[in-house]
Amino acid sequence: DAGVTQSPTHLIKTRGQQVTLRCSPKSGHDTVSWYQQALGQGPQFIFQYYEEEERQRGNFPDRFSGHQFPNYSSELNVNALLLGDSALYLCASSFRGLAGRNEQFFGPGTRLTVL
Amino acid sequence: GDSVTQMEGPVTLSEEAFLTINCTYTATGYPSLFWYVQYPGEGLQLLLKATKADDKGSNKGFEATYRKETTSFHLEKGSVQVSDSAVYFCALSEIAGNNRKLIWGLGTSLAVNP
Repeated sequence: DAGVTQSPTHLIKTRGQQVTLRCSPKSGHDTVSWYQQALGQGPQFIFQYYEEEERQRGNFPDRFSGHQFPNYSSELNVNALLLGDSALYLCASSFRGLAGRNEQFFGPGTRLTVL
Repeated sequence: GDSVTQMEGPVTLSEEAFLTINCTYTATGYPSLFWYVQYPGEGLQLLLKATKADDKGSNKGFEATYRKETTSFHLEKGSVQVSDSAVYFCALSEIAGNNRKLIWGLGTSLAVNP
């Protein structure tokens, strides 16, 4: 089992550009959540996808959008990049069942640097 | 809304010292509670969890007990090792209908010296 995988590992962009980050969930998982972790901070919830729909969203602007594919993998898109978008972007997968008591498994993250 | 408060770091200990990292939470309902660890340059790993009051989660010598009366989930280890140096995050799973997300503390950096 490969666990949660994310690509790319690192990315450097300039202000105003657009970026797409990718995530493949752990085998058997159907739900993907995205988090932003600024340096020295805890992760902040961006949104969660299940059955190819955004189910819940944190306090992030519309510049942040996502998608989930039929194979449960997911993309995070950020438009009009700002310097403040520089962070580690974490993907977490989980299985929707079990009455919400199961944990989320995290990928290694994508380090985005905006210059 | 729900929230998690963790003791501030950094925490610096000598090898074999006792570790406590305090975590308290505010939640409506009955969240699950988690401790995650982030080693330098790596992603987040689940360390332990507890899903209901009085549950004790344990792993790799670390323990935490879900205390509803004090809304706490303090992390403890009797004898830390250099390899335990990492950032530790307390989190709760907020459930709204069938959706759930993790609410995080700010993290506590632990450095263990030989």
